[in-house]
Amino acid sequence: ILNVEQSPQSLHVQEGDSTNFTCSFPSSNFYALHWYRWETAKSPEALFVMTLNGDEKKKGRISATLNTKEGYSYLYIKGSQPEDSATYLCAFDSNYQLIWGAGTKLIIKP
Amino acid sequence: DAGVTQSPTHLIKTRGQQVTLRCSPKSGHDTVSWYQQALGQGPQFIFQYYEEEERQRGNFPDRFSGHQFPNYSSELNVNALLLGDSALYLCASMTPNTEAFFGQGTRLTVV
Repeated sequence: ILNVEQSPQSLHVQEGDSTNFTCSFPSSNFYALHWYRWETAKSPEALFVMTLNGDEKKKGRISATLNTKEGYSYLYIKGSQPEDSATYLCAFDSNYQLIWGAGTKLIIKP
Repeated sequence: DAGVTQSPTHLIKTRGQQVTLRCSPKSGHDTVSWYQQALGQGPQFIFQYYEEEERQRGNFPDRFSGHQFPNYSSELNVNALLLGDSALYLCASMTPNTEAFFGQGTRLTVV
């Protein structure tokens, strides 16, 4: 059974602080690793799709790294803002099937 | 481009009934996946359709079935509804190794 784990489950961060969280996934049958942001009452929105070991992607204040050999990815948010409050989901892409983690719920405190 | 659209947005059904949920994928996407999200959990993969065939299936009973039409739109059918089937059902469309685009979901409540 392929399992994707995210930690922590939830996170409270002071506005302006930087933070990061982890996605662990199987190191075999790897096609891609996806990160999504899911805000309440909205659909999940894709942040990154990462395919290469050592890949690092950045979108504004958000960046992600990928280690396919050891099976983990980090998502970093620099200078957190209230609009960053959301659940961040990662998904392991194995032959077209996305296997999801349970998410990290990020709450930014003003 | 309307993106991924799902219907209906909300639905209330009685135990034992059957339900059909619908999804129209984003233009240019040929693959449709269905997910169930229970409260407080991440999405659980139900199945994926490509070229009108079920390509992969998650750990869901046979009560969950689907269909994909030639225009790539898809239906999710659930028979003999149980209270535990109450959840948000999401449809996502994609092309291989690209990001998935999600619909707004159908909130199903079984009473």
